[in-house]
Amino acid sequence: EAGVVQSPRYKIIEKKQPVAFWCNPISGHNTLYWYRQNLGQGPELLIRYENEEAVDDSQLPKDRFSAERLKGVDSTLKIQPAELGDSAVYLCASSLRDRYNSPLHFGNGTRLTVT
Amino acid sequence: KNQVEQSPQSLIILEGKNCTLQCNYTVSPFSNLRWYKQDTGRGPVSLTIMTFSENTKSNGRYTATLDADTKQSSLHITASQLSDSASYICVVSGPLEGSASKIIFGSGTRLSIRP
Repeated sequence: EAGVVQSPRYKIIEKKQPVAFWCNPISGHNTLYWYRQNLGQGPELLIRYENEEAVDDSQLPKDRFSAERLKGVDSTLKIQPAELGDSAVYLCASSLRDRYNSPLHFGNGTRLTVT
Repeated sequence: KNQVEQSPQSLIILEGKNCTLQCNYTVSPFSNLRWYKQDTGRGPVSLTIMTFSENTKSNGRYTATLDADTKQSSLHITASQLSDSASYICVVSGPLEGSASKIIFGSGTRLSIRP
């Protein structure tokens, strides 16, 4: 099966500019996650979707971050405006919620550098 | 507070040697514990899953153990290879409760294998 696809792989922007990341999950996976990973740290959850519904966005900085998952498949994560502290790797993952103990399948991430 | 702590933070060993990585957690209630391998520039990939009733599980040269009483897990790598160089992340999950499920990531152990 095709894995989780993310784009772009790298993005360099100046602070205060907007940026968007795209994720295509594994076909049939109803749960989609966006994580942020800083160097030497584990991933931190930003938002979790069940189909098209955001069921956990408690850790999403809503003043500058937004996400959407139209039609319950692809998802985009946007930052506007970006700050220096947003430099990190943004990981998308998907899983089958109805399958007990289903693992998270991660994409290779988008490395964001804000200058 | 639900936490996952890993040790050591980093480890360097010679090719062919064995090593053991540690994970302590305070997540409650507990559903399962996974070890993920994350190669540089890639997303994490699941290696093993341990549920409450399991003490040991192997996946090739990787052997995971779980002591649910002391809330400790270990990942033992036998006859290390250069391709084992990666970060190893311990992830503890709570049970599905409605649409919510706690998934807590450790910060990872950075393993480097030297020829």
